[in-house]
Amino acid sequence: SQTIHQWPATLVQPVGSPLSLECTVEGTSNPNLYWYRQAAGRGLQLLFYSVGIGQISSEVPQNLSASRPQDRQFILSSKKLLLSDSGFYLCAWSGLKGLAGAPHPKDTQYFGPGTRLTVL
Amino acid sequence: RKEVEQDPGPFNVPEGATVAFNCTYSNSASQSFFWYRQDCRKEPKLLMSVYSSGNEDGRFTAQLNRASQYISLLIRDSKLSDSATYLCVVNILPDYKLSFGAGTTVTVRA
Repeated sequence: SQTIHQWPATLVQPVGSPLSLECTVEGTSNPNLYWYRQAAGRGLQLLFYSVGIGQISSEVPQNLSASRPQDRQFILSSKKLLLSDSGFYLCAWSGLKGLAGAPHPKDTQYFGPGTRLTVL
Repeated sequence: RKEVEQDPGPFNVPEGATVAFNCTYSNSASQSFFWYRQDCRKEPKLLMSVYSSGNEDGRFTAQLNRASQYISLLIRDSKLSDSATYLCVVNILPDYKLSFGAGTTVTVRA
């Protein structure tokens, strides 16, 4: 069966410091991978998604970036954190491929345990 | 207008009661609909997909109304363990990414 891992589980960082969050998936190959952020009391906001190695689509202009150096590894980074970057960061995977690299219309996503980031 | 809107609740119900709530979506061409469950400070977990004809999974029943652009979730015989936030999820065209509602909180009391 498939398993998705995220670390760290909790992180407290000062404003202006760098960030690196890692997500890995086991038990599947060539997954679609996603990074979401959930602010307190709000819905999930899609930040990035990737349909393959080196392929990253950015959804929201911000000071975050994502990379996919290996098939089942997805990394979220920042060079300088802002207070507004605080939130619950969730990585998700799905297995269905759509046309031209887009998510499939019947795509179902499965989430990792998340990283709770507090920027002070 | 938000792509997916939910009544935030909370819905406070006694054990054994039935609770139902809706979610509306703005894109009439959306094709996939889901309910996810999120416990406090945890990741969302897929509860069920919602099919055009409606579907049932144990005590949970989901309905889709394309004409009015809403989906519903009904929980029968509520258990304490059903206390959670229920997220309505819809795929958004043209590229089928998923859009999440902010969630409906349900609290089942003994």
